[in-house]
Amino acid sequence: DAGITQSPRYKITETGRQVTLMCHQTWSHSYMFWYRQDLGHGLRLIYYSAAADITDKGEVPDGYVVSRSKTENFPLTLESATRSQTSVYFCASRRGQTQYFGPGTRLLVL
Amino acid sequence: SQQGEEDPQALSIQEGENATMNCSYKTSINNLQWYRQNSGRGLVHLILIRSNEREKHSGRLRVTLDTSKKSSSLLITASRAADTASYFCATVRGPGAQKLVFGQGTRLTINP
Repeated sequence: DAGITQSPRYKITETGRQVTLMCHQTWSHSYMFWYRQDLGHGLRLIYYSAAADITDKGEVPDGYVVSRSKTENFPLTLESATRSQTSVYFCASRRGQTQYFGPGTRLLVL
Repeated sequence: SQQGEEDPQALSIQEGENATMNCSYKTSINNLQWYRQNSGRGLVHLILIRSNEREKHSGRLRVTLDTSKKSSSLLITASRAADTASYFCATVRGPGAQKLVFGQGTRLTINP
């Protein structure tokens, strides 16, 4: 029972490169979410998805792209990474009112 | 901007003592949730309290909600070293709302 997994767990990249963070859930939950966590800001919602092929912006979507071709996968792409995107990224899925979080991806943009 | 604000930002107590964390929010809510985050891990759901509820219990956890003051508190009784973590409140603003809005969290340290 893997639940929700994220890969990679750690990533170092350079400014301007494209980076994709993967998220996979085994429950077939309809809703999935991407957050970033930074000191002083708590968790902020980047994008979310209500179902396959349905996505919507959250609080801080600029610089990010998402897709959801399959219910179980919700990748997050940084099209041209910037230093300000250095953060810890969490994916989550939802059942009822409860969200279930992945272990996070720690991203460093040099 | 964050909906919830936790208070205090950090709390350090001795094992066996009770820990109380508070959360204030600004707009009307449908429900309020508390999550725990151990260092280096994702968040884990602890408890949900609906806007028409005033108090809820789950094991050693007690949550209260005062919608007139737009505030909630999380009480952990008989704390243990394993309770060391960050605790976040999160609000859902309306019946059709799909998004959680998180506060910045309280860092709780339980000293053995």
